[in-house]
Amino acid sequence: GQQLNQSPQSMFIQEGEDVSMNCTSSSIFNTWLWYKQEPGEGPVLLIALYKAGELTSNGRLTAQFGITRKDSFLNISASIPSDVGIYFCAGHHHDKVIFGPGTSLSVIP
Amino acid sequence: DAGITQSPRYKITETGRQVTLMCHQTWSHSYMFWYRQDLGHGLRLIYYSAAADITDKGEVPDGYVVSRSKTENFPLTLESATRSQTSVYFCARVGDSEKLFFGSGTQLSVL
Repeated sequence: GQQLNQSPQSMFIQEGEDVSMNCTSSSIFNTWLWYKQEPGEGPVLLIALYKAGELTSNGRLTAQFGITRKDSFLNISASIPSDVGIYFCAGHHHDKVIFGPGTSLSVIP
Repeated sequence: DAGITQSPRYKITETGRQVTLMCHQTWSHSYMFWYRQDLGHGLRLIYYSAAADITDKGEVPDGYVVSRSKTENFPLTLESATRSQTSVYFCARVGDSEKLFFGSGTQLSVL
């Protein structure tokens, strides 16, 4: 079946630093979604991408849909303590939505 | 507001018992999903539904049953709970532009 891989698995960064995380797949996806999850809560949608090559921003977050439709990246600029959480990528494939294993982000004040 | 409500928030049960987790959306969107989340596995798709009376298996359907008699509700039943089904369960709906919105989750412990 379809699988998504995320890297890195975890990150520890200093407040103010920029962050970049990646999501790859062996399959083509039609839509990419990026989520953030905080402890005890459900994932919250950050950015949605619909076209190959699309670059979309949401405040300090920027994400791109890869040209091959098999990858996507998420960048966070000037990180702050409230950016702490687990970031998931997800892809739409026909009727299903498949999630990557997540990247855990820790921000050191 | 994600427009999706799960209940109960926490549940403790014993091995072999039947348990039903409830999911309700305040909209009438077609697609709904059930995921389980475990350390080291991320979110894994259990079942999904494209519309009322239409359901299909995801990655890890064994031991679970779903129904969708009404568009707004998508309950998940564990017919005979096992310890391996201890997990956090999330229900989700697809809204506009294929965006997936999640409930707050049900934390299930099977003793």
